[in-house]
Amino acid sequence: KAGVTQTPRYLIKTRGQQVTLSCSPISGHRSVSWYQQTPGQGLQFLFEYFSETQRNKGNFPGRFSGRQFSNSRSEMNVSTLELGDSALYLCASSLGLGGYSPLHFGNGTRLTVT
Amino acid sequence: AQRVTQPEKLLSVFKGAPVELKCNYSYSGSPELFWYVQYSRQRLQLLLRHISRESIKGFTADLNKGETSFHLKKPFAQEEDSAMYYCALSAAGSGNTGKLIFGQGTTLQVKP
Repeated sequence: KAGVTQTPRYLIKTRGQQVTLSCSPISGHRSVSWYQQTPGQGLQFLFEYFSETQRNKGNFPGRFSGRQFSNSRSEMNVSTLELGDSALYLCASSLGLGGYSPLHFGNGTRLTVT
Repeated sequence: AQRVTQPEKLLSVFKGAPVELKCNYSYSGSPELFWYVQYSRQRLQLLLRHISRESIKGFTADLNKGETSFHLKKPFAQEEDSAMYYCALSAAGSGNTGKLIFGQGTTLQVKP
């Protein structure tokens, strides 16, 4: 089975712009979770989608949003980018609801905001 | 508060020596705990979860509710064990599905 695929691998954006990141889960997995990884804060939960519905959201501003499509693919959007949004964004999929089922991570998208 | 603490940023041992990566947690409910590992240039992957009670690549971890710990152990370290190890707590039991609370990670360096 193909693993979790995230595109693009690298992105460079300017402050104030917006960005969309994409995640294709493992075939058959219905849950997709997103995490932000930074050297200072480590891995922090952004949100989880299951069957096209947001099930849970972390403590991030409303500039961070996401959605899930009927084929379980997910996108994450960050609007009005700030320098502090520079991070590695990881997507993870799981068979059932995340946390009950193990998470399978993608390689991440590294976002640099200048 | 839900929290995971990995007190060591770096643990350096010689090949063949025992390894113990420490993890302490704070959680009011019944915890579901995991160890994830990230080898150089690879994605973060599940190493083991406490409910499975299995040994993966020679690693074991026992949940100690009294000490709120979930330390990762291996009796004889191998050079290929060198990686970043993350302890993670699932908050799904309190309704926070999809949310893993990660520790800051410990880099294990196994010297020849």
